[in-house]
Formats: sequence, C-alpha cells, structure tokens
Amino acid sequence: SQQGEEDPQALSIQEGENATMNCSYKTSINNLQWYRQNSGRGLVHLILIRSNEREKHSGRLRVTLDTSKKSSSLLITASRAADTASYFCAYSGAGSYQLTFGKGTKLSVIP
Amino acid sequence: GAVVSQHPSRVICKSGTSVKIECRSLDFQATTMFWYRQFPKKSLMLMATSNEGSKATYEQGVEKDKFLINHASLTLSTLTVTSAHPEDSSFYICSANPASTGEQYFGPGTRLTVT
Repeated sequence: SQQGEEDPQALSIQEGENATMNCSYKTSINNLQWYRQNSGRGLVHLILIRSNEREKHSGRLRVTLDTSKKSSSLLITASRAADTASYFCAYSGAGSYQLTFGKGTKLSVIP
Repeated sequence: GAVVSQHPSRVICKSGTSVKIECRSLDFQATTMFWYRQFPKKSLMLMATSNEGSKATYEQGVEKDKFLINHASLTLSTLTVTSAHPEDSSFYICSANPASTGEQYFGPGTRLTVT
C-alpha cells in the first residue's frame, strides 16, 4: 500500500501556540483518521473524518478534509506540553478497513 | 472506547528462536485484525490482515512462513515470528475495529529485540 505523506516531518512550537499538520494521500478514500503516538507507545485514536465530511472538531482538535486535493489537516489549538508526540494520519479505501499510514509529524511543545 | 491488548509488551529473544505475540480485543468481537510493524522513528507499515477462521492476507514483501498469523477466535489473533533474526527487531502493533465502524483501535504494541 502506498504510504501517505505528512508535513512537516517535525514541528517545534511554544506552549499556547497552535500546531498544524498536513497529510496528503493518493487514492480515493472512505475515511481518514488521525492518531497520536507517544514515544515507544501504542497509538491513540484522535478523530475520524469521513469522505463526505469537510471539517470535524473534537475539543482542541480540528480536522479538515479536502478530497479534491486529497489532503487533510490537523489543527491543535492552544497547545500544551502534554501534546508532545508523533501524529499520524491514516486512511482507508472504499469497502476496506485496511489503513495506510502517513509518515508522521513529530510535534514538540516547549513549556 | 474499545480496548485492544497485546502480550507481551516487551520481549528479548535469541537468534533462531520463535516468538509469539498475542492481540486481544477485550470488549468487542473482531472478525478482522491487523498487524503492523514500526521501525524506530518511522511510520507503521501494514504486515498482514488477520481473518477469523481463515488464512491471513499478507502485504507484498512480508514472508508468510516467517510471520505466522492465527486468528482462532473473534477476540484473539496471534503473530509468531519464526526463526527470529536481529533484523526482525521492531515494534509490532495490532489493531482491530468493532463491526460496522471505521475506527480502528490499536494495541499498546510489543517491542521485540532479537539478540
């Protein structure tokens, strides 16, 4: 499966600032999900956005999806030091639960 | 939310031995589970799709005789790394999704070190 692209690969911001991460993909998708992974740990599911949705919110998280550009973005507002982690997008095609992961963005939030 | 567990969380073994990793869905049934591999500072790569009651589907480049997958029940899938070598050292993660939802829930991962 073709891996998605994410940018930036690494992002360092001050606490309180917003962090934006982008994900691009190459195939038609059924849905796109964002996950967080702390170093050496498992993945935590953050949010799922379906192909017919354009924007979704969950707490300080805002996800957008532009299927015409085959891209998605994750915005974390008012970042906290505890948000420091790697963030991955993952998407599945129509009729499949199989996920293809992006390369990830490593976010560092400096207190 | 749905919980997926993995056991063991960490294992060290010698070259040539086999290691079994278990993946369990604790509060839901999963006809399909997925096994991923993650190298340090890299993303997850899908290894195989584990299907309850039938053979697993392996991704291109993954040796099915080396990575044996068994999905004997609706809540348990196992991955056995046979004749392990140092290059098999990696973080192995499984996932499962409750029926009819798109969300996948991931296990905490198993860190395999082959010496």
